[in-house]
Amino acid sequence: GQNIDQPTEMTATEGAIVQINCTYQTSGFNGLFWYQQHAGEAPTFLSYNVLDGLEEKGRFSSFLSRSKGYSYLLLKELQMKDSASYLCAVRGATNKLIFGTGTLLAVQP
Amino acid sequence: EPEVTQTPSHQVTQMGQEVILRCVPISNHLYFYWYRQILGQKVEFLVSFYNNEISEKSEIFDDQFSVERPDGSNFTLKIRSTKLEDSAMYFCASRLRQGNYGYTFGSGTRLTVV
Repeated sequence: GQNIDQPTEMTATEGAIVQINCTYQTSGFNGLFWYQQHAGEAPTFLSYNVLDGLEEKGRFSSFLSRSKGYSYLLLKELQMKDSASYLCAVRGATNKLIFGTGTLLAVQP
Repeated sequence: EPEVTQTPSHQVTQMGQEVILRCVPISNHLYFYWYRQILGQKVEFLVSFYNNEISEKSEIFDDQFSVERPDGSNFTLKIRSTKLEDSAMYFCASRLRQGNYGYTFGSGTRLTVV
């Protein structure tokens, strides 16, 4: 079966660092994506990992361990505008994206 | 930056009516997808489309659903006889080709069935 787990909600403080974890069990793996989604809007691409290790992109970094079925998204220097849902998605054997339920991040002043 | 465009942004329809949701993918993209997101739930795969035919469909995509690429630019999702449980945000996405290229999502159509 296909299963992608993320925490439902997280809260963090402006200027701080937050790590959002994602664990997955899927039939086939062709990469893991992180998307940001503001309420009522489309998911927007943040990062992509297909090999183990850390990918850094400005304030955002994403890590992947394929052997553990684990990824995390790291957000640094949090800003109020980072309040959103963060979606972990795995591209499976047939190249469709399989999404987790998303993590709703609230950034507080 | 190229965009995936969806129309309408919001559609209200009566149960049993047919609806057509429209998408204009990025012009040089080759792979097309429909996803839906019921309010408060996760984004779910409906169907993928490549080379003018369906590549894969989920169990949600039953006989009431169909997709078309009628003119080389538009990509449509038709629901023949809408049900209350079809109320959701429908997202179109496109992708250039195989490899690590990301999926670009449209801004969505919010379908409300009453």
